[in-house]
Formats: sequence, structure tokens, C-alpha cells
Amino acid sequence: GAVVSQHPSWVICKSGTSVKIECRSLDFQATTMFWYRQFPKQSLMLMATSNEGSKATYEQGVEKDKFLINHASLTLSTLTVTSAHPEDSSFYICSARDLGTGITNEKLFFGSGTQLSVL
Amino acid sequence: GQQLNQSPQSMFIQEGEDVSMNCTSSSIFNTWLWYKQDPGEGPVLLIALYKAGELTSNGRLTAQFGITRKDSFLNISASIPSDVGIYFCAGQLAGTASKLTFGTGTRLQVTL
Repeated sequence: GAVVSQHPSWVICKSGTSVKIECRSLDFQATTMFWYRQFPKQSLMLMATSNEGSKATYEQGVEKDKFLINHASLTLSTLTVTSAHPEDSSFYICSARDLGTGITNEKLFFGSGTQLSVL
Repeated sequence: GQQLNQSPQSMFIQEGEDVSMNCTSSSIFNTWLWYKQDPGEGPVLLIALYKAGELTSNGRLTAQFGITRKDSFLNISASIPSDVGIYFCAGQLAGTASKLTFGTGTRLQVTL
């Protein structure tokens, strides 16, 4: 099956630094990718929709200048947490839709997540 | 953001028992999905439902799309230790192109 690779799997950084997380579709092209955030023992909350070649669409309450999204190719989207603070510590998960099979949820694949810890 | 109400929040069962969990929403969804998430991993799709009333099985798992399109349930029969994890329902609203709203999750523990 299709695979979505997310890197790094975990990262520890100092407060005030920026962290970049990559999401790659390994064997399919994805015009649309999604970024979720998950706090401990909570559900996944959609942060933004990443669109190849255009600006990302952010959910209400998510700061676009804080969470920079770049989707420069059909297989790569990046999420940069700028000037990270301890409250940004969370599990970040991406998902990608397999373009070749049309708009069906059975072809929506999730990455393995990135655990961000900000000291 | 919006979340779906999922119950129970957690379950502790013995190996071999059947499990049932459900998900409800105030909104109508045109697609319901059930995922399993292991610690430190992304969710993995278990079952997808596309029509109201649809009943679909995947091995020991069975899920149904409620007639009102506002609810869904997941059953696991004859549970085994590897069923341990967090189960999430997710719904997709019409016209939102793969944009999912997740449930609050059901944490399942299986004892021998």
C-alpha cells in the first residue's frame, strides 16, 4: 500500500527556535496534504490543509505565521513551527491523499507522526 | 475545532470478549471511518463506510453507518491482546474533500 513518510519522528528543541517537519508521499502524488496536532490522550485536531503550489488553508484558531506550511512538490509538504514554545509541544501528524485514485477516503494515508518537545 | 462524541472513553476487557464502541455527531456526515492508533504512531484505517445503513466487516471488526448519518458504531469480536490501542471514528462532511473530523477516541485495554 501507499506510504507516507514523516520526518523526524521526534525532536527536542529550545524555546524560541524553529523546527521543520517533513511529510513525503513515497509512491504516489499528493496535491493535498493535511496537518494534524494531537495532545496527550486527546484526539487529532486538524491544523491546516496543504495545497501543492498554493497557500495552505488554516483552521480557525491556528496561527499561519506560527505554523508555516510549504507544499512545493506533489510529494512533499513541510510544517515549520516558528519560535517554538513549550505549549507547542505536541504530536504532529500529516496525511496525504492519493491523487491517482480520486477523492475517496480509503486512499488517505497517515504519516507515523512527529513528537515535538520544546524545552 | 469540531469533534465527534465517542463512547466509551476507555474499556478494560478480557481476551476473547466482544467490544462495542460508538460515535455520534450533531452534523450529518457522508462518510464515516474507523481508525486504530498505536502509541507514537499515526492512525491506521480499519473500515470505511460510505452509505447510510451500510454494514461492513473487516475480519473480526464490523462497523455500521447510522441511518440518520449522524452516528456509527464499531464492534470487535473475540478480542486479542494486539487489539490494544486507541480507536478513533472520523467523519467527512459533504464537499470537504478528505478533510476529516475525528472523534474523541476509545482507549482499549485487553487483559489475558
